[in-house]
Amino acid sequence: EDQVTQSPEALRLQEGESSSLNCSYTVSGLRGLFWYRQDPGKGPEFLFTLYSAGEEKEKERLKATLTKKESFLHITAPKPEDSATYLCAVQAGAGSYQLTFGKGTKLSVIP
Amino acid sequence: NAGVMQNPRHLVRRRGQEARLRCSPMKGHSHVYWYRQLPEEGLKFMVYLQKENIIDESGMPKERFSAEFPKEGPSILRIQQVVRGDSAAYFCASSVTGTGGGEQYFGPGTRLTVT
Repeated sequence: EDQVTQSPEALRLQEGESSSLNCSYTVSGLRGLFWYRQDPGKGPEFLFTLYSAGEEKEKERLKATLTKKESFLHITAPKPEDSATYLCAVQAGAGSYQLTFGKGTKLSVIP
Repeated sequence: NAGVMQNPRHLVRRRGQEARLRCSPMKGHSHVYWYRQLPEEGLKFMVYLQKENIIDESGMPKERFSAEFPKEGPSILRIQQVVRGDSAAYFCASSVTGTGGGEQYFGPGTRLTVT
């Protein structure tokens, strides 16, 4: 059974204090790893897709990386508007389509 | 370019009533997925549909839940005889392709409350 574990569950940062969120996964045949951002009362907003170990993608203050066992979402000099829950999901197996999600990391950035 | 649309955004039903949740995918997308998010839980896959076809409903409870995606109109998730445990946020997602790592884009969700 595919498993996705995110840590920490919650993270509180001062504005400008860089950090990383972790997503560990156990799957048979990774097709893609996805990062989403979810604000309270809203649907997940797509951020990145990573397909193979060593791949990196960046968007503004966010950078996602992938190894064979985990992915990191690095946040550089965060701002209060980066506060949200960040979700990691995997799509695995031949002919796969459904996403298996972790429970998320709730990030709070304090001014 | 409109995103995934869901309605209603909030739905209150008494125990035993029926709930109908609607989802219109993004323009150009023909693959629709439904997920459920229970309080303090992660998003869980329920069903995957293409036009007029249910491809995989392995995540759907065996009773009371059904889904459709007709040739014309939105996809509908139907819950019959709702119980308190059905209270959750239900999200619809759509994609251009079904398999092989295609991104899924989510709607704003329908928050179902069963009283």
